[in-house]
Amino acid sequence: KNEVEQSPQNLTAQEGEFITINCSYSVGISALHWLQQHPGGGIVSLFMLSSGKKKHGRLIATINIQEKHSSLHITASHPRDSAVYICAVPGIQGAQKLVFGQGTRLTINP
Amino acid sequence: DAGITQSPRHKVTETGTPVTLRCHQTENHRYMYWYRQDPGHGLRLIHYSYGVKDTDKGEVSDGYSVSRSKTEDFLLTLESATSSQTSVYFCAISDVGETQYFGPGTRLLVL
Repeated sequence: KNEVEQSPQNLTAQEGEFITINCSYSVGISALHWLQQHPGGGIVSLFMLSSGKKKHGRLIATINIQEKHSSLHITASHPRDSAVYICAVPGIQGAQKLVFGQGTRLTINP
Repeated sequence: DAGITQSPRHKVTETGTPVTLRCHQTENHRYMYWYRQDPGHGLRLIHYSYGVKDTDKGEVSDGYSVSRSKTEDFLLTLESATSSQTSVYFCAISDVGETQYFGPGTRLLVL
C-alpha cells in the first residue's frame, strides 16, 4: 500500500501570508493529486501533476519524484482559502485506485 | 463543473435495512468511483468501475456491492446497513489519465 503523509495537520495563518502544505508518499507514482475540500463538504480537484511545477492563480504545486515529496503553496493567502487540502497518490494496485492523505486543515484569519 | 449528481443527498435508515445510493454523470467518463469519508480515516475507495458491467474492489469493499448497467449510472448498495457504515459517501468520475471530479456527497446515518 502506498502510504501518504501530510504536514501539518492543522495550519492557522493571517491573511496575506505565504502558505506551504507538504505531502510525502512511500511508493513511486505516475501522478499526484491535490484536492480542496470546502467547509461545506464539496471536493474540488486542484492539480494533477507528475513532474516539476504547476500554477493556477495563487496556487502552486510542486513535486520531486526522486524524493517522493510534493508541496502545495498558496501566495497572498485569503480567508476564502480556508479549507481542507488533501493529497492523493495511486495505490500499488493501480493508477485508478487512489490513496488519500488525512488532509491539512487551513484557516486564514482576516 | 463536471456534471455529476448523487442521490439521495441525505438518508437516515435503520440497521439491517438495504440502502442504495445513486451516482449519475453526464460527462460520458469511463471511470466511476465510490468513496467514503470518515473522521480520522480520510477518503477511502469502496469500489470503482472502469466500464459498463466492469467493476473492481477498493480498500473498504466489505459490506458493499456496486452495479453499472449504463455509462452514466453507478449504484452503491448496502445489502444490510450497519452503524459502522454511517459516513459521508462521495462519487467521483474520471477519464483515462485525467483528474477525478467529485460529486456533492451523500450523508448516511444508520441507526
